Amino acid sequence: SQQGEEDPQALSIQEGENATMNCSYKTSINNLQWYRQNSGRGLVHLILIRSNEREKHSGRLRVTLDTSKKSSSLLITASRAADTASYFCATVGWTGANSKLTFGKGITLSVRP
Amino acid sequence: GAGVSQTPSNKVTEKGKYVELRCDPISGHTALYWYRQSLGQGPEFLIYFQGTGAADDSGLPNDRFFAVRPEGSVSTLKIQRTERGDSAVYLCASSLGQGGATDTQYFGPGTRLTVL
Repeated sequence: SQQGEEDPQALSIQEGENATMNCSYKTSINNLQWYRQNSGRGLVHLILIRSNEREKHSGRLRVTLDTSKKSSSLLITASRAADTASYFCATVGWTGANSKLTFGKGITLSVRP
Repeated sequence: GAGVSQTPSNKVTEKGKYVELRCDPISGHTALYWYRQSLGQGPEFLIYFQGTGAADDSGLPNDRFFAVRPEGSVSTLKIQRTERGDSAVYLCASSLGQGGATDTQYFGPGTRLTVL
């Protein structure tokens, strides 16, 4: 079963605009991560935010976490055509050394040149 | 350095056949994960190895699925009596296995399995 629900399911924006993607989850988490996937194959890790953190930045990426609402958002600023991909949020529970990921269904982002 | 590799990249088989999917993790990574991704869905966890042992196999859908990692490096996912519903992309990931829940997982390109 999948933990996360991303919103929207699909997003189309113009190059240079910002893209905001949201994720909600159901159970208590140790951390939440965002991944990018191109062409339905390999996943690339983007950013990790721990349950005791509220905001984190990495380059053009900004992620927020609200554990009271069990939700997270990923902001990509100044988008580029190369950002076109599917984006997934994934949670890790309190399972010791096992960092198995529970993914949402993903968001398809299209950035028009 | 080399990333996670998976072979074959594509596998087409007939219903009822046996298949093996191979994963070569990043050298030195003690943790290895298998996931399955159906069309239009996010990946779903299958099994986690720490070293040679399967530490969590709670995601394996049934007893037709089995995975091994005999020397703590390469892993093989084995599917017996394949069914059309097994068609998916099978992803492998590895991590250092020392950071606990915050270990970053590095994914391979996946094996696309099609069962006719």
